[in-house]
Amino acid sequence: EPEVTQTPSHQVTQMGQEVILRCVPISNHLYFYWYRQILGQKVEFLVSFYNNEISEKSEIFDDQFSVERPDGSNFTLKIRSTKLEDSAMYFCASRVGGTPYEQYFGPGTRLTVT
Amino acid sequence: AQSVTQPDIHITVSEGASLELRCNYSYGATPYLFWYVQSPGQGLQLLLKYFSGDTLVQGIKGFEAEFKRSQSSFNLRKPSVHWSDAAEYFCAVGAGGTSYGKLTFGQGTILTVHP
Repeated sequence: EPEVTQTPSHQVTQMGQEVILRCVPISNHLYFYWYRQILGQKVEFLVSFYNNEISEKSEIFDDQFSVERPDGSNFTLKIRSTKLEDSAMYFCASRVGGTPYEQYFGPGTRLTVT
Repeated sequence: AQSVTQPDIHITVSEGASLELRCNYSYGATPYLFWYVQSPGQGLQLLLKYFSGDTLVQGIKGFEAEFKRSQSSFNLRKPSVHWSDAAEYFCAVGAGGTSYGKLTFGQGTILTVHP
């Protein structure tokens, strides 16, 4: 069964460093998402991406964040200068076009900023 | 703006007992509703979804949920819980219309199963 994959599973970085989280969505999917879950809190939407551009973003997704689909398979989330409060589990998700809005999630990348 | 409330942060049941996890949503139009399960250290797995039609939907692992528009609820149920069901459960609402389908999640309910 096709699945969303994410690498790395765990990333430790120092405050102020840049990190890139990588995702490989399901191959025939057209919509891509990033969510994050701070420990003990709810899963929060960050950004959606369709047709090679951001379609929607949350207030969390400020200028420090960017997304890219550099080729036909990868979908990346970059944080330019990490802060302690960026420590969280980051989930990538994807879905096919149109309805239904059923999103398939990857296993997540745990980002720890020290 | 859409929102989801899961009133129960933590529920404990005995193996073999029935289970109901509550979910209330707020959304101006017909919602798209989902239940996801997250086992420790794992990602989110879709249990079931509601888009339209029959208000009682069946999912994987023996779970079902009932959409009640009048109560703005989408409660998850299972007649007999297994120890392997211990996990965190998230209710989510997806926007329609011009939205690109972002999901809004509830706080989650942690399920503990006693033998």
